[in-house]
Amino acid sequence: DTAVSQTPKYLVTQMGNDKSIKCEQNLGHDTMYWYKQDSKKFLKIMFSYNNKELIINETVPNRFSPKSPDKAHLNLHINSLELGDSAVYFCASSQDFRGRVGYTFGSGTRLTVV
Amino acid sequence: SQQGEEDPQALSIQEGENATMNCSYKTSINNLQWYRQNSGRGLVHLILIRSNEREKHSGRLRVTLDTSKKSSSLLITASRAADTASYFCATDTGNQFYFGTGTSLTVIP
Repeated sequence: DTAVSQTPKYLVTQMGNDKSIKCEQNLGHDTMYWYKQDSKKFLKIMFSYNNKELIINETVPNRFSPKSPDKAHLNLHINSLELGDSAVYFCASSQDFRGRVGYTFGSGTRLTVV
Repeated sequence: SQQGEEDPQALSIQEGENATMNCSYKTSINNLQWYRQNSGRGLVHLILIRSNEREKHSGRLRVTLDTSKKSSSLLITASRAADTASYFCATDTGNQFYFGTGTSLTVIP
């Protein structure tokens, strides 16, 4: 009955590969997000998405792309992985588009690029 | 940037003591939220305080907001070992939502 679940929990891959991280929420929330947490624990938003609008953080390389097959899923595809992509990626959801009543986070995917 | 900054970066206290963490930000906000992150886990929403509120309580948590100083504090009273985690403030400007860099709290049994 996990509210926001993401898979895999750990992902180790070589530079240049393409990988995907999946996220699903069963809360009926309208909006989903991807965050990147770096080694200093700073959380940076990458994307926010509902069925009407995708907002992309302009600093995110276009190698990263979100794909939402339906309202309950927002997957993250990463092409041509680089060493600097190593981080923990968190999926989150919120009831409203701005998260003004709070976000619910998944437990994270630790990506290591070697 | 709007990035919130928590102070201190790390805090170590004995069980039973109170823990206070501060968050400062740079521009006007609609609300400010506090989250907890246990090691290796996702963030858990603790409390939200709106810009027109000055203080809010939830169990052992007390949050204050001073919009004139652009700062907020999170007080955890009677701390427990299970409170050991990183605590983040997050600011909602209406256009953007920013997390700070977090305070790492260690409660020693």
